Amino acid sequence: KAGVTQTPRYLIKTRGQQVTLSCSPISGHRSVSWYQQTPGQGLQFLFEYFSETQRNKGNFPGRFSGRQFSNSRSEMNVSTLELGDSALYLCASSPDSHPGNTIYFGEGSWLTVV
Amino acid sequence: AQRVTQPEKLLSVFKGAPVELKCNYSYSGSPELFWYVQYSRQRLQLLLRHISRESIKGFTADLNKGETSFHLKKPFAQEEDSAMYYCALSGQGAQKLVFGQGTRLTINP
Repeated sequence: KAGVTQTPRYLIKTRGQQVTLSCSPISGHRSVSWYQQTPGQGLQFLFEYFSETQRNKGNFPGRFSGRQFSNSRSEMNVSTLELGDSALYLCASSPDSHPGNTIYFGEGSWLTVV
Repeated sequence: AQRVTQPEKLLSVFKGAPVELKCNYSYSGSPELFWYVQYSRQRLQLLLRHISRESIKGFTADLNKGETSFHLKKPFAQEEDSAMYYCALSGQGAQKLVFGQGTRLTINP
């Protein structure tokens, strides 16, 4: 079974631009969540989607958004990029939205904002 | 507020020695507790969770609700245990992991 797949793996953007990151969950998984990882703040929850609906949202500004498609694939978008948005963005999937589920992580998308 | 604290950023022990990675949490309710591990150049992966009460790769973790702790222990450390370890909690009714800052464990030969 293929794991969580994220694209692109690496990207460089200029301040003020926007970026879209893509995530394909493990086959059969319907819950997808996103995390931001930085050296200073560590791993922080961005949002979770289940059956195309956002179920939970972390404490990030509205510039961070996401969506989930009917095939459970998900995208997250960051608009008006700031230098502080440079981070590793991790996507994770699980079979459903139960809090006790094992969550499987992708390798992440490294975003550098210059 | 939900919070996970891992007091040690770095921990170094010798091979064969016992190891304990500390984790304390703050949550008003009954959380689900997890330990995740990230080996060099690999993705973050689940090591164990408290509800399963299992031992994985020789590691165990006991949930102490009185002390709000979920320390990770292994009696005899191996070199392959060197990795970054994250303690995390998930609250009831929400699949949202709150992570600690992580502890980098180094096992010296």
